[in-house]
Amino acid sequence: EVQLVESGGGLAQPGRPLKLSCEASGFKFDDYAMHWVRQVAGKGLEWVAGIKWNSETEGYGDSVQGRFTVSRDNSKKSVVLEMNDLRPEDTALYFCVQGSGYAIGSYFKFWGQGIKVTVTP
Amino acid sequence: YEVTQSPSVSVAPGQTATITCGGPNIVRRNVHWYQWRPGQAPVLLIFYSRDRASGIPDRFSGSSSGDTATLTITRVEAGDEADYFCVVSDPLKEHIFGSGTELTVL
Repeated sequence: EVQLVESGGGLAQPGRPLKLSCEASGFKFDDYAMHWVRQVAGKGLEWVAGIKWNSETEGYGDSVQGRFTVSRDNSKKSVVLEMNDLRPEDTALYFCVQGSGYAIGSYFKFWGQGIKVTVTP
Repeated sequence: YEVTQSPSVSVAPGQTATITCGGPNIVRRNVHWYQWRPGQAPVLLIFYSRDRASGIPDRFSGSSSGDTATLTITRVEAGDEADYFCVVSDPLKEHIFGSGTELTVL
């Protein structure tokens, strides 16, 4: 059974950093790209970041480019989203998502339950 | 690139629901459909416009033509009540989300 378990969410102050982690199980982790997707309350979903199976390629949504960094550790079956210079508009439910293939252009195959991040003074 | 979805669709049980995702020449794009029930994680239904994901009933089908991609749900059941959203995956490594369509089963 595929499982993606997010952790590290919670409250953060504007301008401060926060790190989200995702532990994967139930599939061959290093065969797949991994992504972070978020839903801002009352709005739609937004792709945040993705990373190729071998970390060779990363991609970011326009609103987080230059502030967020995605990385992965295939030996630990984990993917991390380091969020810097947080803004109130980063407040959202963040999902860890398994890609359908090696590359970050592949579709989203399986989603975690999501973790809440709130950025407030 | 932007995609548009109608906010809501209502159908009676046993009828057919049609949910659309519009975008310029979307027929040439990779379109994927997801079901999102409250309190649960989104679930992949259809990928590459018409391929059904593993374990998804054949009541769910996808198609695409011109500027519109369509998710069709036949013989709608009460359990199909959910938000349905499309995602267009761009070769430039972007993923563009539709705003979602809320399906109500009357």
